[in-house]
Amino acid sequence: QKEVEQDPGPLSVPEGAIVSLNCTYSNSAFQYFMWYRQYSRKGPELLMYTYSSGNKEDGRFTAQVDKSSKYISLFIRDSQPSDSATYLCAMSVRGFQKLVFGTGTRLLVSP
Amino acid sequence: GAGVSQSPSNKVTEKGKDVELRCDPISGHTALYWYRQRLGQGLEFLIYFQGNSAPDKSGLPSDRFSAERTGESVSTLTIQRTQQEDSAVYLCASSLGTGVWETQYFGPGTRLLVL
Repeated sequence: QKEVEQDPGPLSVPEGAIVSLNCTYSNSAFQYFMWYRQYSRKGPELLMYTYSSGNKEDGRFTAQVDKSSKYISLFIRDSQPSDSATYLCAMSVRGFQKLVFGTGTRLLVSP
Repeated sequence: GAGVSQSPSNKVTEKGKDVELRCDPISGHTALYWYRQRLGQGLEFLIYFQGNSAPDKSGLPSDRFSAERTGESVSTLTIQRTQQEDSAVYLCASSLGTGVWETQYFGPGTRLLVL
């Protein structure tokens, strides 16, 4: 069993839809949770990060962590074609060191 | 300013050959990371360098893999006697330090294909 599980997709939605992306994990020591966005042939870029449980909002993006269920989510409101990319969850025991990544979910937002 | 750069962008090699991949971090960034991204899989941590400290090599998959960094500048990842399973995108990232919230900035990667 992988430490971090993520559905590879692709997830196809129409423009304006609310998107929900999810990861589950098995290591209860993880305390730091990140979401990265990766466009084709580019390196990942950090979207959001949270510590421990709870919600964090940034514009159209909301990150949610449920440590009791070992489940994290990223919600994208009013999705745009420019949001089409692969979204990777990542987590660690200590900050940004030695991150453990999910496989990434490919998102396609059609106009 | 300039981001993390990597060269070459693409590399095709024959099984058994050695390859060298280069990473130029953001100027002033003391920490440097290497990751491997195989098709359909997440990023795998390989190694990280922090200043003059001994590197953390715990992610290197075999002794065919090695990496060097000169001071706080360029790093080279070397794969000896390449195998087909080494085919992947090799990503480099740098950060100001390795503090808890020091964000890693990624380069575009080197796509390695071993025939």
